[in-house]
Amino acid sequence: AQKVTQAQTEISVVEKEDVTLDCVYETRDTTYYLFWYKQPPSGELVFLIRRNSFDEQNEISGRYSWNFQKSTSSFNFTITASQVVDSAVYFCALRNFGNEKLTFGTGTRLTIIP
Amino acid sequence: GAVVSQHPSRVICKSGTSVKIECRSLDFQATTMFWYRQFPKQSLMLMATSNEGSKATYEQGVEKDKFLINHASLTLSTLTVTSAHPEDSSFYICSASTSGAQETQYFGPGTRLLVL
Repeated sequence: AQKVTQAQTEISVVEKEDVTLDCVYETRDTTYYLFWYKQPPSGELVFLIRRNSFDEQNEISGRYSWNFQKSTSSFNFTITASQVVDSAVYFCALRNFGNEKLTFGTGTRLTIIP
Repeated sequence: GAVVSQHPSRVICKSGTSVKIECRSLDFQATTMFWYRQFPKQSLMLMATSNEGSKATYEQGVEKDKFLINHASLTLSTLTVTSAHPEDSSFYICSASTSGAQETQYFGPGTRLLVL
């Protein structure tokens, strides 16, 4: 069975601060995929990143960066120089190879205070 | 690319009526679509997996006669909430999955259903 844990239920930071959202996963499979999605107040889930289990390289996209560490089964997401538009609920998700279903974490509600 | 639309975005109906929600992949073909339900401040709950041309696979506890799913083409899946009741009020989100090595679920904007 697989599981995704997002221990931070809610985070508030002042604009321009950096913030890291934690994601810890459990799976017995050796091949799997990790995802992050953003859900702004409008409700739509926006795909942010997909990472394969065999690719541990960290990724940076603008103000967003992701730290994938298999040793600790973590896939953390950092936003640098946060902006008000970053306010949203962020979901981490896991999909095992050969399984089309996503296992979601419970989400982290991020509020950026102007 | 990978745009998924959902219609309607919001619907209010009377108890006992049926409501149909459409999910379309606009710029790709999706052999698999998924239907989720989300309660306020909670995560997404998978209701069913829909494959084109075959019957949907429902998750445990989801009534298939209550939530009818039809995946008529590679770009369209529909969810019909039959004889809706106030407890069916929720946010319904669909997703469509791309195929191949970069398989990823892309989500629609969601449908907010309110049953009076």
